[in-house]
Amino acid sequence: EPEVTQTPSHQVTQMGQEVILRCVPISNHLYFYWYRQILGQKVEFLVSFYNNEISEKSEIFDDQFSVERPDGSNFTLKIRSTKLEDSAMYFCASRGGPTNTGELFFGEGSRLTVL
Amino acid sequence: AQSVTQLGSHVSVSEGALVLLRCNYSSSVPPYLFWYVQYPNQGLQLLLKYTTGATLVKGINGFEAEFKKSETSFHLTKPSAHMSDAAEYFCAVIPIQGAQKLVFGQGTRLTINP
Repeated sequence: EPEVTQTPSHQVTQMGQEVILRCVPISNHLYFYWYRQILGQKVEFLVSFYNNEISEKSEIFDDQFSVERPDGSNFTLKIRSTKLEDSAMYFCASRGGPTNTGELFFGEGSRLTVL
Repeated sequence: AQSVTQLGSHVSVSEGALVLLRCNYSSSVPPYLFWYVQYPNQGLQLLLKYTTGATLVKGINGFEAEFKKSETSFHLTKPSAHMSDAAEYFCAVIPIQGAQKLVFGQGTRLTINP
């Protein structure tokens, strides 16, 4: 069964360092998402991406964040200068298309720890 | 904007007892509705979804949920809890039109007592 894969599963970094989280969405999907979950809290929307551009972003997704789909298969989230409060689980998700039933398929997540 | 409310951040039931996790959404147009489960240190797994058709939907692991438009609710139930059901459960919605993002409730942690 097709699945969304994320790497790394866990990354520890120093405050101020750049981090890139990688995702391989399901191959025929068109919509891509990043969500985050701070420990013990709800799952929060960060950004959605469609047709090679951001379609929506939340207030969390400030200038320190960026997304890219560099090669037609990978979908990356970059945090330019990490802060302590960026420590969270980051989930990538993908969805088929506008006529499907809206289900998002999630990866296993990448746990980011900022020291 | 869409919002999802899960009543009760923590629910505890005995093994074999009924599980009821509550979810209400705010929308004048019923969205697509989902329940996801998150086991400890794992990702989000779809339990079940409602899009159109029969309002009682069955999911994996014996869970089911009923869409009630008049109550704007999508409560999750399971007749008999199992120890393996202990997890965090998230209700989520995505609008049929407009912004195509999944909006999550705050989650309900289900604990099963032996």
